[in-house]
Amino acid sequence: DADVTQTPRNRITKTGKRIMLECSQTKGHDRMYWYRQDPGLGLRLIYYSFDVKDINKGEISDGYSVSRQAQAKFSLSLESAIPNQTALYFCATSPQGGYAGELFFGEGSRLTVL
Amino acid sequence: DQQVKQNSPSLSVQEGRISILNCDYTNSMFDYFLWYKKYPAEGPTFLISISSIKDKNEDGRFTVFLNKSAKHLSLHIVPSQPGDSAVYFCAASSMGNTPLVFGKGTRLSVIA
Repeated sequence: DADVTQTPRNRITKTGKRIMLECSQTKGHDRMYWYRQDPGLGLRLIYYSFDVKDINKGEISDGYSVSRQAQAKFSLSLESAIPNQTALYFCATSPQGGYAGELFFGEGSRLTVL
Repeated sequence: DQQVKQNSPSLSVQEGRISILNCDYTNSMFDYFLWYKKYPAEGPTFLISISSIKDKNEDGRFTVFLNKSAKHLSLHIVPSQPGDSAVYFCAASSMGNTPLVFGKGTRLSVIA
């Protein structure tokens, strides 16, 4: 089983719908992240959480919200999806430490907003 | 303003030759640098890293070079193999609670 699991792996939805992407991890890491990948734009940080009570906005948080339900669970919500949120979304974890260093990524959730 | 730049979107190399992927950064506070590899339909995976106290780190066929004065790092793959064909992301961080910043990636194609 994967250490970082994302559900769903693929989702097609319509403009205006609410969507939740879920992430769970078995690595025991405190830190969790949501990134978005778009062609030609690389990986951009949406939100991150360094522990259960800590939530921080990343580079592109507008239109997204997150919930850290437990150390092992970090979900990303799109309250009202729009077509330019069509992208590949990655959850990642990292251990506590001096650097937010080596990240362990899930396999990705491909979201299409029509 | 991009803090981590990978100016070559793609690179094509023959099998057995050297692949050199480049990365530039603008934030002088960055002191830890990483390379990730990503295959289609998979998440990125960590490949190799280097801290600013070093100018070279080697792991098998992969070597990362850091030139702090030029704010430049490069990943060398020798010899290149078809299985190395993937997208490579450069990332940077600094001590403390700052998440990694990624470049846009370079797609490497190793031709047999």
